[in-house]
Amino acid sequence: GAGVSQSPSNKVTEKGKDVELRCDPISGHTALYWYRQSLGQGLEFLIYFQGNSAPDKSGLPSDRFSAERTGGSVSTLTIQRTQQEDSAVYLCASSFQSGAPSYEQYFGPGTRLTVT
Amino acid sequence: KQEVTQIPAALSVPEGENLVLNCSFTDSAIYNLQWFRQDPGKGLTSLLLIQSSQREQTSGRLNASLDKSSGRSTLYIAASQPGDSATYLCAVGGTSYGKLTFGQGTILTVHP
Repeated sequence: GAGVSQSPSNKVTEKGKDVELRCDPISGHTALYWYRQSLGQGLEFLIYFQGNSAPDKSGLPSDRFSAERTGGSVSTLTIQRTQQEDSAVYLCASSFQSGAPSYEQYFGPGTRLTVT
Repeated sequence: KQEVTQIPAALSVPEGENLVLNCSFTDSAIYNLQWFRQDPGKGLTSLLLIQSSQREQTSGRLNASLDKSSGRSTLYIAASQPGDSATYLCAVGGTSYGKLTFGQGTILTVHP
């Protein structure tokens, strides 16, 4: 079946603008994760959604970052007033939360964000 | 705070060699450990998932082991091929929902 998809694949924006990144998880996966991959920091966790439960936002680097997941499926990561340090590849992953293999995460191709 | 370290940072080998990639983590209270490969400009491809109760997993030419008590995992690649060239990432799941903490990766180059 189809894997995790993300859009856009590339986004160039000016400093101070808002951006929205989209993730479509694998159908039937109840858990969704956002990660960020940057040269200096490697791959770091941002936020996690599980069903209708309150998300774990502990990895969001500042209050300019927010995310939502509508209908338990598609998720949008929004970055307000973008800064140059926000430039990175934003990766989305999804997984089953029960059943086998439990918790194996499947990643999308990522969105490369460049803030000029 | 969990910290994950991968050694070596880069590895270059001739085709056909067997090789071992190392991963260590500081907090042994983990739920699972996952190995990924990442090709340039691409996302992550899951290779193997080892649950905390398991000692190893195998898939084709790949074998991953886990020693939770010592905080170590190894990824063994048999009979390496140029197509194995990629960055290999080790990630530890340390909570009940599997939030992953990643190492910095090992860049593998297999030359013909």
